Amino acid sequence: SAVISQKPSRDICQRGTSLTIQCQVDSQVTMMFWYRQQPGQSLTLIATANQGSEATYESGFVIDKFPISRPNLTFSTLTVSNMSPEDSSIYLCSARTSGGVSVNEQFFGPGTRLTVL
Amino acid sequence: AQSVTQLGSHVSVSEGALVLLRCNYSSSVPPYLFWYVQYPNQGLQLLLKYTTGATLVKGINGFEAEFKKSETSFHLTKPSAHMSDAAEYFCAVSRGPGGSNTGKLIFGQGTTLQVKP
Repeated sequence: SAVISQKPSRDICQRGTSLTIQCQVDSQVTMMFWYRQQPGQSLTLIATANQGSEATYESGFVIDKFPISRPNLTFSTLTVSNMSPEDSSIYLCSARTSGGVSVNEQFFGPGTRLTVL
Repeated sequence: AQSVTQLGSHVSVSEGALVLLRCNYSSSVPPYLFWYVQYPNQGLQLLLKYTTGATLVKGINGFEAEFKKSETSFHLTKPSAHMSDAAEYFCAVSRGPGGSNTGKLIFGQGTTLQVKP
């Protein structure tokens, strides 16, 4: 399995500013993902964080708004840029292991609860 | 394309009663199927998964689910509900064997389980 931590756990931000969320995994993983969970709703995939190359974004999400980095196999960041109240959500990082009994499983971090005023 | 439908956004049962949370999926390729649980203000925890092999899978906390290809279903059950089972439950699908295994999870809308004393 993989243990995932995120920082910050929560934040309250002013509109127009940006916030960078960090995700750290305790072991090397093949794939990392970023999800958004809007209030009272399910999870929506924002992008796949690719190690050493540009992230792969899902429809409706763009790099200018959600730049993502993944400098190595255990760490990734998501930036929420030029925030508006509509960006108020929980942002979750997840990771997928490469093998073993947990193959094909995705493990999730505790999430970052973002409120934009 | 893949999609997941969870029937019933809110399910209420009495403590000790059977828990049944419904999940139907759509997938053009053999799927991997998952159930996650989310407790208030926490991240997602994997309850169980179906990848290949036995269609009845057992998970943590006494939960189990059965993959029924003919019905495109993966319903979650527990024989006897406990107060601690109250949480949000998400069904998810990803591409399985033979498909381009991107690892991306598509989530259902979620079902809130309430357990009454």
